[in-house]
Amino acid sequence: AQSVTQPDIHITVSEGASLELRCNYSYGATPYLFWYVQSPGQGLQLLLKYFSGDTLVQGIKGFEAEFKRSQSSFNLRKPSVHWSDAAEYFCAVATSLGNEKLTFGTGTRLTIIP
Amino acid sequence: NAGVTQTPKFQVLKTGQSMTLQCAQDMNHEYMSWYRQDPGMGLRLIHYSVGAGITDQGEVPNGYNVSRSTTEDFPLRLLSAAPSQTSVYFCASSRQGAFSPLHFGNGTRLTVT
Repeated sequence: AQSVTQPDIHITVSEGASLELRCNYSYGATPYLFWYVQSPGQGLQLLLKYFSGDTLVQGIKGFEAEFKRSQSSFNLRKPSVHWSDAAEYFCAVATSLGNEKLTFGTGTRLTIIP
Repeated sequence: NAGVTQTPKFQVLKTGQSMTLQCAQDMNHEYMSWYRQDPGMGLRLIHYSVGAGITDQGEVPNGYNVSRSTTEDFPLRLLSAAPSQTSVYFCASSRQGAFSPLHFGNGTRLTVT
């Protein structure tokens, strides 16, 4: 069964600083990987996804993520964070057709300080 | 666009009571799912449906029932509420299953006393 690990429960960064949120997955074949963001009191919104091809994927709100098969990682990055990026971020993995289940990590809460 | 609508937003139940959490989507999505979100545990899949008349269990299905009589609606039933079911519940839908971007409702916060 697939699994996702987000090792950082809470990260604090200064506004304007760069950001990297870590995500590691466990699955034997090529996974389908996602990053979702949850603002306080809201549902989740898709930031970006990786299915195949270019390992660096661009998403909304200036986010990008890089798939590294050798490290089983799919880390989320942003070169310069804004106060509005404060939220909880979830990495998720889906596997082969026939398994219609999206498995989420436990999330990383991002705090932005002025 | 309404998207995914969940009702109610808040609910308090006593142990043993039953209730139904409603979820409706107006995007003609085939895939719908229910998740629960608990602190430190992320989102865990309860049940999902790949189309009307088809449902299947997720990671934590015990204590919950679902049905999918129409494409639009996917209600979640708690038959006999327990304090362990205190959580925030999210309904999500997508065009073609877990690989398509999920559209989430705003959640139902349930407290069981």
